[in-house]
Amino acid sequence: QQQVKQSPQSLIVQKGGISIINCAYENTAFDYFPWYQQFPGKGPALLIAIRPDVSEKKEGRFTISFNKSAKQFSLHIMDSQPGDSATYFCAASMGGGADGLTFGKGTHLIIQP
Amino acid sequence: GAGVSQSPSNKVTEKGKDVELRCDPISGHTALYWYRQRLGQGLEFLIYFQGNSAPDKSGLPSDRFSAERTGESVSTLTIQRTQQEDSAVYLCASSLWDTQVPQHFGDGTRLSIL
Repeated sequence: QQQVKQSPQSLIVQKGGISIINCAYENTAFDYFPWYQQFPGKGPALLIAIRPDVSEKKEGRFTISFNKSAKQFSLHIMDSQPGDSATYFCAASMGGGADGLTFGKGTHLIIQP
Repeated sequence: GAGVSQSPSNKVTEKGKDVELRCDPISGHTALYWYRQRLGQGLEFLIYFQGNSAPDKSGLPSDRFSAERTGESVSTLTIQRTQQEDSAVYLCASSLWDTQVPQHFGDGTRLSIL
């Protein structure tokens, strides 16, 4: 079975700090790596995504770092804010579509004021 | 509507009953997806529609689960003879094309089987 392993399960960061969430995958056929943000009682929303031909992608305070040889990728949230408190899911896809989209188990992030 | 709409938002039913969950995707989106999210877990793929056809039903956990989509819009997920292990949040998502991962999900139906 395809797997995406996500860590840590939960994370507490002080306001203004850097939040780092890590994911590792096994299947080298994965070629698209999105991250989703989910607030309590809401559905996930696509946050940022990367393809393996680049090592880093930045959108505002959110950055994905990608290490193809290690089959690992991570989400960095700079200057973390209490409004960033949510559950974050990494995922991996083949062909960029949702068919075959495999999710990690999620990281519950709390930003303390 | 502006987003993916799901109903009901909550459903409590007795073991053995049938339930029907509804999803209204974003207008014009041809691809529609159903996922299941158990407490503290990631999302588990159930089924995907391209238009009204379902090219991938591989995620449906058993033959008690079925889904249909009509008019390239609303979709219903039906669970027959519900079991306690069916308790979860059922999420629907849509995207403009099937070559896109879902941009936005609905807020889900929280299903509780007593």
